[in-house]
Amino acid sequence: DAGVIQSPRHEVTEMGQEVTLRCKPISGHNSLFWYRQTMMRGLELLIYFNNNVPIDDSGMPEDRFSAKMPNASFSTLKIQPSEPRDSAVYFCASRRAGGPYEQYFGPGTRLTVT
Amino acid sequence: TQLLEQSPQFLSIQEGENLTVYCNSSSVFSSLQWYRQEPGEGPVLLVTVVTGGEVKKLKRLTFQFGDARKDSSLHITAAQPGDTGLYLCAGHPSGNTPLVFGKGTRLSVIA
Repeated sequence: DAGVIQSPRHEVTEMGQEVTLRCKPISGHNSLFWYRQTMMRGLELLIYFNNNVPIDDSGMPEDRFSAKMPNASFSTLKIQPSEPRDSAVYFCASRRAGGPYEQYFGPGTRLTVT
Repeated sequence: TQLLEQSPQFLSIQEGENLTVYCNSSSVFSSLQWYRQEPGEGPVLLVTVVTGGEVKKLKRLTFQFGDARKDSSLHITAAQPGDTGLYLCAGHPSGNTPLVFGKGTRLSVIA
């Protein structure tokens, strides 16, 4: 089975540009999570969806960040406008509803904003 | 807010040595998961422990869930360079809620 798929794997952009990160969860998984990882702060949960519905976006740092899940097989995380402090690795993860709630991560998108 | 404290943060050892990584909380979790992350990749699930006192073995790795389901440990026997990576513990509080992640232990095994 294919794992969680993320694209692009690397993104380098200039400050002020719009960035869109994409995620395809594992088929049959009901929940999808977006994380950001930095050396200083570790793995931070940004937002998660259950059955395509956003449940908690309290981890989204600012209004510049938005996420959508139009269907069960696709989600996007958008940053507009991007800033240098947004540079990090962004992970998408998915899991089935119901125990034991094991999450499976994608390979991540390394974002660099110059 | 539930927190998971991992220790040590960094560990550098010689090949063949044994080590233990700890994951502690004041909160009870319904299950706890351990992940290993290698550079440039996403975290990979190693094991899930569910029952208080449960011990699971994965080759040279031994995972234990505390009796009160508030803490866990990972013991590696005869570490090898291939064990190098970031080890993350994650607790599941209850229901369909997000995992609570520790900040990780960065292990380096030197040949």
